[in-house]
Amino acid sequence: DIQMTQSPPSLSASVGDRVSITCRASQNVDNYVNWYQQKPGKAPDLLIYGASTLKSGVPSRFSGSGSGTDFTLIISSLQPEDFATYYCQQGYSTYTFGQGTKLEIK
Amino acid sequence: EVQLVESGGGLVQPGGSLRLSCAASGFTFSTYWMSWVRQAPGKGLEWVANIKHDGSGKYYVGSVKGRFTISRDNANNSLYLQMNSLRAEDTALYYCARDSDVSSGGSDYWGQGTLVTVSS
Repeated sequence: DIQMTQSPPSLSASVGDRVSITCRASQNVDNYVNWYQQKPGKAPDLLIYGASTLKSGVPSRFSGSGSGTDFTLIISSLQPEDFATYYCQQGYSTYTFGQGTKLEIK
Repeated sequence: EVQLVESGGGLVQPGGSLRLSCAASGFTFSTYWMSWVRQAPGKGLEWVANIKHDGSGKYYVGSVKGRFTISRDNANNSLYLQMNSLRAEDTALYYCARDSDVSSGGSDYWGQGTLVTVSS
């Protein structure tokens, strides 16, 4: 099974900061990586698919990059509503999620 | 509006069985792959299983193979997860999700989940 190692597990930042979250696959997954945001008590929301394509309606401050084994989610200027937990997911061979990154207010 | 409503969760003893259901509306159910994803209390997301649009292909995470069965009824816009030989580690909130029409593009709509608790 393909494993997804996400880092950091948690992150403290301020409104307006630029933050990045990384995900490393245990083997090549081409560009089959998706990113989700989950707020407490809510279902996850798909943000990015295919490593870098924003789902319709997702703010442009979110961006994704990477291919092969290394992937990055960047939030260019944090807004109050962005404090949440983020998950990467590979779709190259069935699906596997990373362990999550909890983004907290500093 | 896409809606996914799960039901069937509850408290079950170890070794017992439970059948989850997901009622879908607001889209052409028969043209989408569907998934079940779970989240143990305070933990991360775990993809459990998915099924092709016509039910001809079913895929599972290793920890549930042979115990869980995913199925669908396209005539009634419903998705199911039959869970047998349940273990304490199966305790989680189970989400029904619609897989994106982009190949391997993740799940673009989710229900609110149904809680399964496995305990004696």
